[in-house]
Amino acid sequence: EPEVTQTPSHQVTQMGQEVILRCVPISNHLYFYWYRQILGQKVEFLVSFYNNEISEKSEIFDDQFSVERPDGSNFTLKIRSTKLEDSAMYFCASSTGSSYNEQFFGPGTRLTVL
Amino acid sequence: QKEVEQDPGPLSVPEGAIVSLNCTYSNSAFQYFMWYRQYSRKGPELLMYTYSSGNKEDGRFTAQVDKSSKYISLFIRDSQPSDSATYLCAMSDSGGYQKVTFGTGTKLQVIP
Repeated sequence: EPEVTQTPSHQVTQMGQEVILRCVPISNHLYFYWYRQILGQKVEFLVSFYNNEISEKSEIFDDQFSVERPDGSNFTLKIRSTKLEDSAMYFCASSTGSSYNEQFFGPGTRLTVL
Repeated sequence: QKEVEQDPGPLSVPEGAIVSLNCTYSNSAFQYFMWYRQYSRKGPELLMYTYSSGNKEDGRFTAQVDKSSKYISLFIRDSQPSDSATYLCAMSDSGGYQKVTFGTGTKLQVIP
């Protein structure tokens, strides 16, 4: 069964460093998303991406965040200068864009900012 | 008022019990309703989705939506220890590419 994959599973970084989180969405999906979940809190939408551009972004997704689909399979989230409060699980999701909006989530990358 | 409210639990039930999980929402624009299951430190896994008021059944799971009351439920019949997880209600205001808004999740433990 096709699934969304994410690497790395755990990333530890120093405050102020740049990190890139990687995702491989399901191959026939057209819409891609990043969500995050701070420990003990709800899953929060960050950004959606379609046809090589951002469709929607939340207020969390400020100038330190960027997304890219560098090739036909990968989808990345870059955080330019990490802060302590960026520590969270980051989930990538993808969907076909059909009416039912079934978004399939990857296993997540746990980001720890020290 | 939060857009989506969900009792965080935890909820502890004996094996075989019927479990009822509930969410309320305030945004009338929500049209699509989903339930996800999340195991500890894993990604959310889609269990069920529906877009109309009424019931939708899938095996031991029944999703119920009442748009007039802005209330959704998930019922689990004959609960099993493997059902122990956090259950997230989620919704969006249209299909396609719209963002999904999640509840905080209800942690369920089914005791053998």
